[in-house]
Amino acid sequence: EVQLVESGGGLVQPGGSLRLSCAASGFTFSSYEMNWVRQAPGKGLEWVSYISSSGSTIYYADSVKGRFTISRDNAKNSLYLQMNSLRAEDTAVYYCARGPGRDIGDYFDYWGQGTLVTVSS
Amino acid sequence: SYVLTQPPSVSVAPGKTARITCGGNNIGSKSVHWYQQKPGQAPVLVIYYDSDRPSGIPERFSGSNSGNTATLTISRVEAGDEADYYCQVWDSSSDHRVFGTGTKVTVL
Repeated sequence: EVQLVESGGGLVQPGGSLRLSCAASGFTFSSYEMNWVRQAPGKGLEWVSYISSSGSTIYYADSVKGRFTISRDNAKNSLYLQMNSLRAEDTAVYYCARGPGRDIGDYFDYWGQGTLVTVSS
Repeated sequence: SYVLTQPPSVSVAPGKTARITCGGNNIGSKSVHWYQQKPGQAPVLVIYYDSDRPSGIPERFSGSNSGNTATLTISRVEAGDEADYYCQVWDSSSDHRVFGTGTKVTVL
């Protein structure tokens, strides 16, 4: 059974940093591209970042480019999101989401349950 | 950036058909994917590549895509279909994944 479990969310002050993790199990993690998707309270879904299966290809949404860094450790079956210079508008539930494989990456077939990040003073 | 527009809400009686539209410039040239999200839960993929259904998704869910509009159709609507629905595409010009604005489906 595919499982994605996010952790690392919490309350952080504006300008602060936070590192999210996503632990994957039930599939060959190193064969799948991964993404982070977020959802502000009461709002819609927003794609944040993509990383290919090897980690060699990375993309970011314009809203986080230069502040967030996606990475992965295939030996640890883990995905990460380093978030710096956080703003109030980054407050959201952050989901890790798996791509369909083969680095096609154009949809998300499995999602974690999400971790809440709150940016507030 | 590429924009996907959905109606904020759709209401439908049980047993009837719900149609949720997703509008975008020449969206028919892209592959459209659909997600269902119930309150407090993570999204679930219900349609990919315009009209394919993942295993476990009822045949009542179907999709189409042409011109400037993609459509998710839910036939014989049940109370359990009440949820938010989002369309999504991959914008190849930017390599960004884009979500629609979302549609809340209410079963009367």
